[in-house]
Amino acid sequence: KAGVTQTPRYLIKTRGQQVTLSCSPISGHRSVSWYQQTPGQGLQFLFEYFSETQRNKGNFPGRFSGRQFSNSRSEMNVSTLELGDSALYLCASKGGAGNTEAFFGQGTRLTVV
Amino acid sequence: ILNVEQSPQSLHVQEGDSTNFTCSFPSSNFYALHWYRWETAKSPEALFVMTLNGDEKKKGRISATLNTKEGYSYLYIKGSQPEDSATYLCAFETGAGSYQLTFGKGTKLSVIP
Repeated sequence: KAGVTQTPRYLIKTRGQQVTLSCSPISGHRSVSWYQQTPGQGLQFLFEYFSETQRNKGNFPGRFSGRQFSNSRSEMNVSTLELGDSALYLCASKGGAGNTEAFFGQGTRLTVV
Repeated sequence: ILNVEQSPQSLHVQEGDSTNFTCSFPSSNFYALHWYRWETAKSPEALFVMTLNGDEKKKGRISATLNTKEGYSYLYIKGSQPEDSATYLCAFETGAGSYQLTFGKGTKLSVIP
């Protein structure tokens, strides 16, 4: 069974640009969540999608957005990039009930210069 | 804002030593407590998902306990091995089926051969 796949693995962008990250969940999983990790911080929740609907959103500015497709693949978009957006972005997929484990991808390392 | 605290921040132990870490979380609106192991350059990997007060879970040399009334969980590693070197994360899940995890900053364990 394939795991959670994130693309690209590494990305360098310039301030002011926008970026789109992709996440393919484990087959059959309908929930996809996105997290940001910056140096010295724990994983910060961005948002969660379930069956193409955003169910929860973390405390991030509107420049951060996402969507989920009918095949459960999800994309995350960051517009007008700032230096502080440089981070590791992880996505996680879940199947079954809420109190089950999340399966993480290896992440996309975004560097904004 | 939910606050999940982990201690210690880092730990160096000799091979064969036993060790334990603490995770503190809000005692209200509890749904589940997750433990993950995150090795460098890999994806976070689920260790345990705990839901009931008094829960104890075990996987090989690693075990965890849960106290939801006072809001803490302990992770124990018996006879640490170099391959146990990783960052151990706990995450608090609130509300039935929210799928949103609030992570602590982790405990970085280094096991010295």
